Amino acid sequence: DIQMTQSPSSLSASVGDRVTITCQASQDINNYLNWYQHKPGKVPKLLIYDASNLETGVPSRFSGSGSGTDFTFTISSLQPEDIATYYCQQYDTLSMFTFGPGTKVDIK
Amino acid sequence: QVQLVESGGGGVQPGRSLRLSCAASGFTFNSHGMHWVRQAPGKGLEWVAVISNDGSIKYYADSVKGRFTISRDNSKNTLFLQMNSLRGEDTAVYYCAKPRSPGIAAAAAYWGQGTLVIVSS
Repeated sequence: DIQMTQSPSSLSASVGDRVTITCQASQDINNYLNWYQHKPGKVPKLLIYDASNLETGVPSRFSGSGSGTDFTFTISSLQPEDIATYYCQQYDTLSMFTFGPGTKVDIK
Repeated sequence: QVQLVESGGGGVQPGRSLRLSCAASGFTFNSHGMHWVRQAPGKGLEWVAVISNDGSIKYYADSVKGRFTISRDNSKNTLFLQMNSLRGEDTAVYYCAKPRSPGIAAAAAYWGQGTLVIVSS
């Protein structure tokens, strides 16, 4: 099965800071990598699909890049409403869907 | 607009069974694959199962394989998750989710509010 690692597991940054989260797959997953935002008490929200495509209605400060095994998620200017846990998720034909362990983002 | 409403959660003893439902509306249900995803207390998101639009293809996470069964009734726009031999580690909020496009490989763009399952003696 494909394993997903995310780093860091948590981070604290100031409003306006650039925030970067990385996700690594144990095998090549092409670009089958999605990013979700999950706030406490809320429903998970899809932000980025297929590694780099911004979901409709998602602010442009969110972006994603990468392919193969290494992927990056970026918030270009952190806002107070971005406090959440962010998950990467991969798809492959054998183990289907796997979420990364998550990165908790706080405001400093 | 897309609406997904889960039901069927509750408290159950270890070893017993429970059936979750997800009522879908606002889209052509029989054109889309559907997922179940769960989150245990204090833990991250865990994908559980997926079913194709016609029910012919089903995949499961290793943690539930052989115990859980995903199914659907396209005539009633409803997704199901039959959970047997429940364990304490199955305690979680269970979400149904719709991919952003037809097919089972697309990202989950729409989520229900979730239903809580507590497995405890």
